[in-house]
Amino acid sequence: GAGVSQSPSNKVTEKGKDVELRCDPISGHTALYWYRQSLGQGLEFLIYFQGNSAPDKSGLPSDRFSAERTGGSVSTLTIQRTQQEDSAVYLCASSLGQGRGYTFGSGTRLTVV
Amino acid sequence: AQSVTQLGSHVSVSEGALVLLRCNYSSSVPPYLFWYVQYPNQGLQLLLKYTSAATLVKGINGFEAEFKKSETSFHLTKPSAHMSDAAEYFCAVSNAGKSTFGDGTTLTVKP
Repeated sequence: GAGVSQSPSNKVTEKGKDVELRCDPISGHTALYWYRQSLGQGLEFLIYFQGNSAPDKSGLPSDRFSAERTGGSVSTLTIQRTQQEDSAVYLCASSLGQGRGYTFGSGTRLTVV
Repeated sequence: AQSVTQLGSHVSVSEGALVLLRCNYSSSVPPYLFWYVQYPNQGLQLLLKYTSAATLVKGINGFEAEFKKSETSFHLTKPSAHMSDAAEYFCAVSNAGKSTFGDGTTLTVKP
């Protein structure tokens, strides 16, 4: 597609429920990233997929967080047993590779009540 | 390891004045450096990038940044601010494929 597409744009969930966030990157972009942006803070790295390599999961804050990328394209970020501190904007980005810069999606605003 | 420090979480300038947003980085290898902009209620977009080709980098909307290795800096400038420049600006350093972002600087432009 023309840009990075994320869905849903907004998600309100009850504490303890699981949520799935979807990212559809730009076609042909081999790298895909998930970041989290909390109110008034910078971007926190979560996970990075590059081609067929094993993902860099070093930023995932707990084992409640997981992500997969199917067929080198669409990615899903799953948060199990959501907590209030998980409330944030979750951003997906894709890139052609090192040094090329990211193209970001519009994000999913997650609110845990 | 890599890190980014943006000096000043808020910067306010008058319309027509010089814009200077400061960014210092730390990287164990020669870095790629980026500035991104986030306009109100919009997603982040790439403003400009340094990839070692030239130390002075020009971006969109009249912005530019100069890479200074000796000072480990990559400050963003624009000679004359416009009201439409009001946004949040993020500096980022990248190696090993992923980027580390600064905490952002909110630019306010006064009429």
